[in-house]
Amino acid sequence: ETGVTQTPRHLVMGMTNKKSLKCEQHLGHNAMYWYKQSAKKPLELMFVYNFKEQTENNSVPSRFSPECPNSSHLFLHLHTLQPEDSALYLCASSQEGGGRGYGYTFGSGTRLTVV
Amino acid sequence: AQTVTQSQPEMSVQEAETVTLSCTYDTSESDYYLFWYKQPPSRQMILVIRQEAYKQQNATENRFSVNFQKAAKSFSLKISDSQLGDAAMYFCAYNAGNNRKLIWGLGTSLAVNP
Repeated sequence: ETGVTQTPRHLVMGMTNKKSLKCEQHLGHNAMYWYKQSAKKPLELMFVYNFKEQTENNSVPSRFSPECPNSSHLFLHLHTLQPEDSALYLCASSQEGGGRGYGYTFGSGTRLTVV
Repeated sequence: AQTVTQSQPEMSVQEAETVTLSCTYDTSESDYYLFWYKQPPSRQMILVIRQEAYKQQNATENRFSVNFQKAAKSFSLKISDSQLGDAAMYFCAYNAGNNRKLIWGLGTSLAVNP
């Protein structure tokens, strides 16, 4: 299997639930990212991991908790979310820590709906 | 601040025709990269084409080409011989050479009419 795989594809959760999003890449990349995509807004970078270490957290609320156990897997743990957190969550990876020059490889995202 | 502007929220083109999507950006950097990504209904963001700012030659990838005007800070995407499968959201993105962040535009929704 190649590319970036995200599960689940769709997720509906209540505000008091706890759930996790999973991302897996089989490209040998050493950097992984979480993005949030909302309607009428530019993509928002949430977290960056380089060689399993978090190198960037763009003022993301603590109800989003990332985890990167190894360079191939990335999780986003969700708890006590708000309806405004409903969005498409995209995972991406890149060969180098900056992603610059070669861009990113993205997964197909998880469509999250908070009710 | 670095910004990316896509002034056309929606565009349409007839199959087999040519369409140009606009993108402008603002930066004080001299070393940077520009990208066009395509997001079809499958939702996966796919890299279409990239351009290095230090290269004057416009990048091309089969039916996709760019018109990179560095002085004007313009980076438009031309799709030739449009196909039904080209229908998607197209995003322009910028990356400074010394920074790992991509700055994104709001996207242009392209419809291809048969």
